[in-house]
Amino acid sequence: GAVVSQHPSRVICKSGTSVKIECRSLDFQATTMFWYRQFPKQSLMLMATSNEGSKATYEQGVEKDKFLINHASLTLSTLTVTSAHPEDSSFYICSARWTGRNNQPQHFGDGTRLSIL
Amino acid sequence: RKEVEQDPGPFNVPEGATVAFNCTYSNSASQSFFWYRQDCRKEPKLLMSVYSSGNEDGRFTAQLNRASQYISLLIRDSKLSDSATYLCVVNEEGRNAGKSTFGDGTTLTVKP
Repeated sequence: GAVVSQHPSRVICKSGTSVKIECRSLDFQATTMFWYRQFPKQSLMLMATSNEGSKATYEQGVEKDKFLINHASLTLSTLTVTSAHPEDSSFYICSARWTGRNNQPQHFGDGTRLSIL
Repeated sequence: RKEVEQDPGPFNVPEGATVAFNCTYSNSASQSFFWYRQDCRKEPKLLMSVYSSGNEDGRFTAQLNRASQYISLLIRDSKLSDSATYLCVVNEEGRNAGKSTFGDGTTLTVKP
């Protein structure tokens, strides 16, 4: 079945560091990928929609200069958390869906647990 | 009103019980529906799609009621391993086609 790979799975770093997270669709092409954030005991929150070859679409309240998204190929999207601070500590999850039909489910990466000290 | 609404629970049931979750959606044009499960500190995993005629996968049955705009998930003979949060997902249509809307999830705990 469809597989989405996300890397790294765990990051612990100092405040002020920029952190890059990769999301790859392994056996299908995805012109669109999605980035979510989830705080403990809370729902998934869509941060942005990553579009191959064009700018990402950010949800209201999400700073595009803080969360840089690059979708350079049909199988790779990256999220960079710039100058991360403790309040950015969260579980970041990407997802992708097979392009072409809207009746396909999203497939999620394993998630990245980010801890900023 | 939220676009996708679920009863948050928690549902606490004994092993072997039958439990049902409902989910309502607001966009009558929606066409594609799914149930995911999410374990603690893990990513959501696709459990099953929901088809118009209803569908079954082992102990799990999903149904769609377009007239009332809700979908349901029935779990029979609950196992301890069924303990998780169950997410209802609706693929958006029209100008937001390509995005999915997630319910907040229903938490299930199956006890011995």
